[in-house]
Amino acid sequence: LAKTTQPISMDSYEGQEVNITCSHNNIATNDYITWYQQFPSQGPRFIIQGYKTKVTNEVASLFIPADRKSSTLSLPRVSLSDTAVYYCLVVGTSNTGKLIFGQGTTLQVKP
Amino acid sequence: GAVVSQHPSWVICKSGTSVKIECRSLDFQATTMFWYRQFPKQSLMLMATSNEGSKATYEQGVEKDKFLINHASLTLSTLTVTSAHPEDSSFYICSARVEAGVGNEQFFGPGTRLTVL
Repeated sequence: LAKTTQPISMDSYEGQEVNITCSHNNIATNDYITWYQQFPSQGPRFIIQGYKTKVTNEVASLFIPADRKSSTLSLPRVSLSDTAVYYCLVVGTSNTGKLIFGQGTTLQVKP
Repeated sequence: GAVVSQHPSWVICKSGTSVKIECRSLDFQATTMFWYRQFPKQSLMLMATSNEGSKATYEQGVEKDKFLINHASLTLSTLTVTSAHPEDSSFYICSARVEAGVGNEQFFGPGTRLTVL
């Protein structure tokens, strides 16, 4: 399972765009990049998943360069309710299905 | 997306007692579920993989006799913390894997807060 590295914490203000970068140098050919969001005392919630280039949904965008050794989660115009921990995971397509969580990035959005 | 529930959402028990936590996939079947624990201000730690109809697979360092896992049906997995002690107090979270999903898509339950007095 590829290890991921992301900043421990980030601060932002309401209305700003937030970009959280994750490093995964040992990503395998069949691995996907997945991001989860977790609020205090709740289970993680799936945000977005991608394999290469750019993926966008109603919540976020995910940018993945050609070498796939890093990825950037982009949250447009954050609000106070986006304050949470964001986890970047590299997910394989093997039968084990294990998800190994790293330390995550604590995003604090200020008014 | 798919919904996973946990019951109870919180439980307080005395030291030495056993506590059972249920994890259900409400609108899909899951042959594989996972159990995590999370201490305050820490990340999720995978405890075990629960497989329907077979024995659970435990991660290194997790006592299988203390954390009993039963996956009796395609929508239900249970975690029993036996002879609980204060150090077992934690936030327990389950997830269920969508078999047809891309990239091992998993959905998480809301978690169960266990406090052992």
